[in-house]
Amino acid sequence: DAGVIQSPRHEVTEMGQEVTLRCKPISGHDYLFWYRQTMMRGLELLIYFNNNVPIDDSGMPEDRFSAKMPNASFSTLKIQPSEPRDSAVYFCASSFEVNRLGSAFFGQGTRLTVV
Amino acid sequence: GESVGLHLPTLSVQEGDNSIINCAYSNSASDYFIWYKQESGKGPQFIIDIRSNMDKRQGQRVTVLLNKTVKHLSLQIAATQPGDSAVYFCAENSGGSNYKLTFGKGTLLTVNP
Repeated sequence: DAGVIQSPRHEVTEMGQEVTLRCKPISGHDYLFWYRQTMMRGLELLIYFNNNVPIDDSGMPEDRFSAKMPNASFSTLKIQPSEPRDSAVYFCASSFEVNRLGSAFFGQGTRLTVV
Repeated sequence: GESVGLHLPTLSVQEGDNSIINCAYSNSASDYFIWYKQESGKGPQFIIDIRSNMDKRQGQRVTVLLNKTVKHLSLQIAATQPGDSAVYFCAENSGGSNYKLTFGKGTLLTVNP
């Protein structure tokens, strides 16, 4: 397995534009997590899914952010409209061991820059 | 709110020395702790974890110590190698059915050859 695959690796967009980040979890993993990493706030959990169902989205900053998981092999994180303060690295992670969250595998991340 | 924090933002060691990275947590309800390693341009990578019913756990060249009395967590790396250079994060989970992890800000470990 190639691991968790995220695309794009880098995204530069203008303020106000819609941004869609994509994630393919490891096959067989039933948990999927979206994180955001910034220098100021570190790593923050935005939302996580179990068996494609959103379980906790309390970390989603505001209504401009939305996440979907239409099937077990694909998830998206959308920001609309994007703002400069959304600039960060966004990570997707997946796991199948519900009692060992540390075993979650992270993707390489998407570096988002909103200008 | 309660959060996970680190004592040292940077640590520089010589190759072959042992490294100790510290972490303080304030949520007494946390029952599961993890150390991650993040290399430049990559996502965090699991190193070792420990549950609150333990005070020590060993892996390959790494040991995690948990002191619940003072809410302190440490990661010890034996015979540190240049490949160990990275940012290290501790993370905690407050238990229950909520699988959210709270991450510390990280410590940058630099290993000098």
